[in-house]
Amino acid sequence: DAGVTQSPTHLIKTRGQQVTLRCSPISGHKSVSWYQQVLGQGPQFIFQYYEKEERGRGNFPDRFSARQFPNYSSELNVNALLLGDSALYLCASSLATRALGYTFGSGTRLTVV
Amino acid sequence: AQTVTQSQPEMSVQEAETVTLSCTYDTSESNYYLFWYKQPPSRQMILVIRQEAYKQQNATENRFSVNFQKAAKSFSLKISDSQLGDTAMYFCAFMKPGGAGSYQLTFGKGTKLSVIP
Repeated sequence: DAGVTQSPTHLIKTRGQQVTLRCSPISGHKSVSWYQQVLGQGPQFIFQYYEKEERGRGNFPDRFSARQFPNYSSELNVNALLLGDSALYLCASSLATRALGYTFGSGTRLTVV
Repeated sequence: AQTVTQSQPEMSVQEAETVTLSCTYDTSESNYYLFWYKQPPSRQMILVIRQEAYKQQNATENRFSVNFQKAAKSFSLKISDSQLGDTAMYFCAFMKPGGAGSYQLTFGKGTKLSVIP
């Protein structure tokens, strides 16, 4: 079985641009969560989606948005990029919103210059 | 808001020895879950062990075990017979129910563990 797949693995963008990150969950998993991990810190919660509905949102500006598709894959969009958005973006999937162990992908490394 | 504190930014241990990583958390909840995740250079977060707060028995997974002290809000990880492959960042994480049925993880800042041959 394939694990959680994220694309692209690395990305370089310029300040002010927009970016879309993609995540494919493990087959059968209906919940997808997004986390931002700044260098030297632990991951911070951005969004959780379940059955295509937003179930939770962390303390991030409206420049961050996400959606989940009927096949349970998900996209994270960030508009008007700032230097401070440079981070590793991790996607995690689980069977339901309450999961005793999310499965994480290897992340997308975003660099904003 | 919940906070998770890992007071040891870096630790090292000799191969085959035992090491304990510390974690404390702050919450007013009675029902929650605690986790230890490992992040090797490959970047993927890998679940090491989990503990449900209502269970008094400490969780064990092969060489990994926890010391869960609910009253003290402490959740330490013990790694026995350390192996070179245990070298990684270790994150302690807390999870409780949120609004609209969401469950989000709150992570500590991590402890960088190096296993020395």
